[in-house]
Amino acid sequence: EAGVAQSPRYKIIEKRQSVAFWCNPISGHATLYWYQQILGQGPKLLIQFQNNGVVDDSQLPKDRFSAERLKGVDSTLKIQPAKLEDSAVYLCASSLDRRAGTGGSPLHFGNGTRLTVT
Amino acid sequence: GDSVTQMEGPVTLSEEAFLTINCTYTATGYPSLFWYVQYPGEGLQLLLKATKADDKGSNKGFEATYRKETTSFHLEKGSVQVSDSAVYFCALSEWGAQKLVFGQGTRLTINP
Repeated sequence: EAGVAQSPRYKIIEKRQSVAFWCNPISGHATLYWYQQILGQGPKLLIQFQNNGVVDDSQLPKDRFSAERLKGVDSTLKIQPAKLEDSAVYLCASSLDRRAGTGGSPLHFGNGTRLTVT
Repeated sequence: GDSVTQMEGPVTLSEEAFLTINCTYTATGYPSLFWYVQYPGEGLQLLLKATKADDKGSNKGFEATYRKETTSFHLEKGSVQVSDSAVYFCALSEWGAQKLVFGQGTRLTINP
């Protein structure tokens, strides 16, 4: 099966600019996640979708970050305006069901988008 | 809140050496525990998991046992190969919470 697709692979922007990332999950996967991985740290969940509804966005900095999954398939994550501390790898993941973290179907991760904010 | 602590890296071993990567966790309930691996240039992938105390997860020669009394989930392999060079992440998820909480990762390098 095709894996989770993300684009772009790399992005360099200046602070205060905006940027968008795209993710296409594995076909049929209802749950989609966006994680932020800062260098030297483990991934941190930003937002979780179940189909096109938000399940958890408690750690999303909503003053500058937004995400949508309008048709319950692919998703975009936007940052506006970017700050230096947003430099990180942004990982998209999907799973067949929402119980993935509790022993249900595993998360499948994309290769990520590496963002550098200068 | 929930947290995961891994042994600091990087870890460098010779081929066929015994590997242990320590992982301890803090959780309010009864979490499921996971090890994910990230090979160079690839995305994170699930290596093994355990969903209750005393369970042993295993895959590709790696093993980890869910120790509730010591709140640990150490990753072990009896004889590592060059192809095991990667970054390893320990993670947990509270029952019903769905999201994964990751440790900081341990970079492993195996020399021939």
